[in-house]
Amino acid sequence: KQEVTQIPAALSVPEGENLVLNCSFTDSAIYNLQWFRQDPGKGLTSLLLIQSSQREQTSGRLNASLDKSSGRSTLYIAASQPGDSATYLCAVRTQGGSEKLVFGKGTKLTVNP
Amino acid sequence: DAGVIQSPRHEVTEMGQEVTLRCKPISGHDYLFWYRQTMMRGLELLIYFNNNVPIDDSGMPEDRFSAKMPNASFSTLKIQPSEPRDSAVYFCASSLAFRLATYNEQFFGPGTRLTVL
Repeated sequence: KQEVTQIPAALSVPEGENLVLNCSFTDSAIYNLQWFRQDPGKGLTSLLLIQSSQREQTSGRLNASLDKSSGRSTLYIAASQPGDSATYLCAVRTQGGSEKLVFGKGTKLTVNP
Repeated sequence: DAGVIQSPRHEVTEMGQEVTLRCKPISGHDYLFWYRQTMMRGLELLIYFNNNVPIDDSGMPEDRFSAKMPNASFSTLKIQPSEPRDSAVYFCASSLAFRLATYNEQFFGPGTRLTVL
């Protein structure tokens, strides 16, 4: 059974800092991994999707990496801003034909001005 | 496109009452997902449909929960009778399958916050 863990559960940083969020998964047989952002009281917004054959994806100040063999992904946020404050979730789609995503519980990020 | 639409956004009901949550997926998407989010358990998949047919309902907690998708543009999640432990945020998501790829990005609605007293 696929399990996804995100560490730390919460992170507080000053504005301008570069930071890394971690995600690990127990079953390396995945199709892809997605990083989402969730603002309080809102739905999820997809940030980046990495296919199992890829090593990383970049979008603006965000960079996500994937090491499938070790069951790890990181989300790197450069030059953090207060507007980046949100909960970040990672989710994996396991091989086997299912469209099911298995989510971690998220990292709550606070960027202080 | 308006994105995935869910209604109501908030629902407060009393234990034992029937609750119906509604979802309109993104037009043209052929997969629809229902998730539940709680502090304790995080985000969990309840059920998903492909072309209006339920594919995996293994996440549905018990017989009190049922989901239907009568057509490509509408789905319901019903709880009858509701219990306080059903209080959570329920999300609907949709995706479009690319047959030659594994992309299948899921797009989420804003969620319905359910409180059962």
